[in-house]
Parts: sequence; structure tokens; C-alpha cells
Amino acid sequence: GNSVTQMEGPVTLSEEAFLTINCTYTATGYPSLFWYVQYPGEGLQLLLKATKADDKGSNKGFEATYRKETTSFHLEKGSVQVSDSAVYFCALLGYNFNKFYFGSGTKLNVKP
Amino acid sequence: SQTIHQWPATLVQPVGSPLSLECTVEGTSNPNLYWYRQAAGRGLQLLFYSVGIGQISSEVPQNLSASRPQDRQFILSSKKLLLSDSGFYLCAWRDSLNTEAFFGQGTRLTVV
Repeated sequence: GNSVTQMEGPVTLSEEAFLTINCTYTATGYPSLFWYVQYPGEGLQLLLKATKADDKGSNKGFEATYRKETTSFHLEKGSVQVSDSAVYFCALLGYNFNKFYFGSGTKLNVKP
Repeated sequence: SQTIHQWPATLVQPVGSPLSLECTVEGTSNPNLYWYRQAAGRGLQLLFYSVGIGQISSEVPQNLSASRPQDRQFILSSKKLLLSDSGFYLCAWRDSLNTEAFFGQGTRLTVV
């Protein structure tokens, strides 16, 4: 079956630190992979995506590379800001394109 | 452009009362529609999804039901709310032009 596992939070960093949030997946076929961000009290916003192996999604300084050999899609940012504090969700779209599977979310706290 | 509307934003309901949350999408046709629930401090749980009018797939047997009376309208209902129904409910859509899902702003439901 399909599932997503991401690292437990919360993750607390100082401003300008390097960020990595790990995400691994199990899927049938070739899924599309996503990172979503949720700010307090709001819905989810798409941060970046990758639709095939070796694709790199990027947005707002965040990057993630679709690694089929390790079934991973780790989120990275070179220098985090206080405004990046939010909950980050890794997700995949199953091969039948009907269902999204989400990880449990990782809360990021960035301190000035 | 496409937009998604979800209401109400917040709701406080007594145990045993009925529930109706509505979600509508504009600017697209025949979207896949989704209802998710996010319990406090936890990840996203897929409740229902629909690939067409009148077609509902239930992911988790529970006290809730969903209906899709029109192409771009998705309704989440309950006849009698339980305390455990409290949470943050998110509606989302996806169409054939996009792999990603787009989320509404969510409804914060508190059952008292």
C-alpha cells in the first residue's frame, strides 16, 4: 500500500540555520511527491512538488529531490527565517491519481 | 482562476447535534474532491473523496457522511455529533490539469 513517514517534531532552529526534514514513502507504481506548509489556523499550501524520479522541486529557498532508489523526498533549506515557522507535511499522490497520502507533519520553530 | 470556499470557519456544536460543512470550488469542472480531518497536534486523516457527482468513497467508518449534490459542491454531514468529532476539517480539490491538491482554509469544529 501507500504511506508516508516523516520525522517527528517539533524541530527548533535558530534563524539562518540549515533545515532538513526527512520524508520517506512506500508506494505502488510511480507516485507524485509534495511538500505542503500549514501556518497556524490556516489550510495547507503547496510548497513544492516533484512528479518523477530525480526531479527537484524548489520554492522560496526550499528544495526537495525525488529519490526513487531511497524512496525519499527530504525537505531542505539553507537558511531558515522566523517566518518559516509552521507545520510541514510530506505527501504523495497514488498511482491511480485519486488519493493523497500525508505524513503526520513536522512542526518547525525558528527562533530569532 | 480556480478558488475553493469552505465554511463556516469556526463552529461550536453540542454533543448530539447535527453537522453540515460545505465546500465549493470555482473555475474548474469535474474535480476530485476530498474531506480531511486534522485532530489537535496530529496529521491529516482522509475521510472521504469523490471523483464525480453522487460518487463518494469513505476511508474511515465513523459518525460522518459526505455528499456531492453538484459537480463542484462537497458536503460533510453528521446526524449526531460526538465529542471525538472535534477537529480541524479541510476540504481539497484536484483536477486533471494538476497533480497537486488545493486546500480550503478549514473549519475548526469544537463539540461541547
